[in-house]
Amino acid sequence: DTAVSQTPKYLVTQMGNDKSIKCEQNLGHDTMYWYKQDSKKFLKIMFSYNNKELIINETVPNRFSPKSPDKAHLNLHINSLELGDSAVYFCASSPHQNTEAFFGQGTRLTVV
Amino acid sequence: GENVEQHPSTLSVQEGDSAVIKCTYSDSASNYFPWYKQELGKGPQLIIDIRSNVGEKKDQRIAVTLNKTAKHFSLHITETQPEDSAVYFCAVSGYSTLTFGKGTMLLVSP
Repeated sequence: DTAVSQTPKYLVTQMGNDKSIKCEQNLGHDTMYWYKQDSKKFLKIMFSYNNKELIINETVPNRFSPKSPDKAHLNLHINSLELGDSAVYFCASSPHQNTEAFFGQGTRLTVV
Repeated sequence: GENVEQHPSTLSVQEGDSAVIKCTYSDSASNYFPWYKQELGKGPQLIIDIRSNVGEKKDQRIAVTLNKTAKHFSLHITETQPEDSAVYFCAVSGYSTLTFGKGTMLLVSP
């Protein structure tokens, strides 16, 4: 059973389109995250949710909108995609804040 | 915010050698220090972690040491094997989310 699963694994789309990435965790964790990994492998936090409440939004353009319908899901919607949005996006979850994070397998987004 | 520096960016060793990766951090309030291994095409996976009330932790061939006074911690891998080849990330957390170092690509040659 996959602990943190995100879909799709690959996403190729044109500039200006709107797309969503879904994430689900079956670990019963309280906290979920979205990270962005750029071409140099740098992992940067984008959002953090605790019990469906947004607790961290790290200077991410407002074209990115996370949504947490319940504690087990954290989806990422991106409007008006730009070339610079191309990256691998990782969803993660942890039992509470400041504890170990479990990562999904990533979504490779390519904007052409 | 927290600033995490990781060195080296690449490390090549022969199978059986030891490998050491070092990280420094800026916020003295940070109290959780995990290490992650990322294989090609996969998400980062926790391999070992340490909290600020402990100076060293070991799990088989891997160990982590922490010097809170100097604000640095290190990952030690002994008897390296080709399957240890991957990108390794240190991370630091104080109150909420993890701040990651920029990663070390470890290559273990047979």
